[in-house]
Amino acid sequence: GQQVMQIPQYQHVQEGEDFTTYCNSSTTLSNIQWYKQRPGGHPVFLIQLVKSGEVKKQKRLTFQFGEAKKNSSLHITATQTTDVGTYFCAGHDYFNKFYFGSGTKLNVKP
Amino acid sequence: DSGVTQTPKHLITATGQRVTLRCSPRSGDLSVYWYQQSLDQGLQFLIQYYNGEERAKGNILERFSAQQFPDLHSELNLSSLELGDSALYFCASSVEQGLRETQYFGPGTRLLVL
Repeated sequence: GQQVMQIPQYQHVQEGEDFTTYCNSSTTLSNIQWYKQRPGGHPVFLIQLVKSGEVKKQKRLTFQFGEAKKNSSLHITATQTTDVGTYFCAGHDYFNKFYFGSGTKLNVKP
Repeated sequence: DSGVTQTPKHLITATGQRVTLRCSPRSGDLSVYWYQQSLDQGLQFLIQYYNGEERAKGNILERFSAQQFPDLHSELNLSSLELGDSALYFCASSVEQGLRETQYFGPGTRLLVL
């Protein structure tokens, strides 16, 4: 069945290093959303991309939606300890079914 | 504070029992989503309601059911509970604007089945 997988599952970085998580869907998505969940918290919406090849930036975060609308990436430049958490991608397929990615847990060592 | 409320915050019950989790969406949001998150796991989409109607179904067990009421609050009913149903249950609400949709998550209900 349809799945949205993220890699890596875990990432440990030193503060100041860059971080990237990749999101891959087995089918075409109409949109891709990214959420961040801090330890012990609830997911918080970060951004949504809808166009093929779209790139959006939020300060140190860069989000990209693939040309085929089946993959996406989130890149964080110069990580900080406040970036710690689990990053989820999510999206709708064209049958309006909604999928959450498996998540990438980021740990940043000071 | 996302504006989405969930009650109760914590729930401890026994196997075989039935519980009801409640979610009040943000004012004006028509969509409610339910998710299950087991310990250190990802979010498992269960079901979505839009303006009282079921819109999409995920990996929801037959022992689970949900509904959305005319005032747009939603309830998730979990019956014949098993140990493996212990998890954090989130609801999220959203307002759709064409293809643009943002989900706002509630604080979750932590369910422990003993």
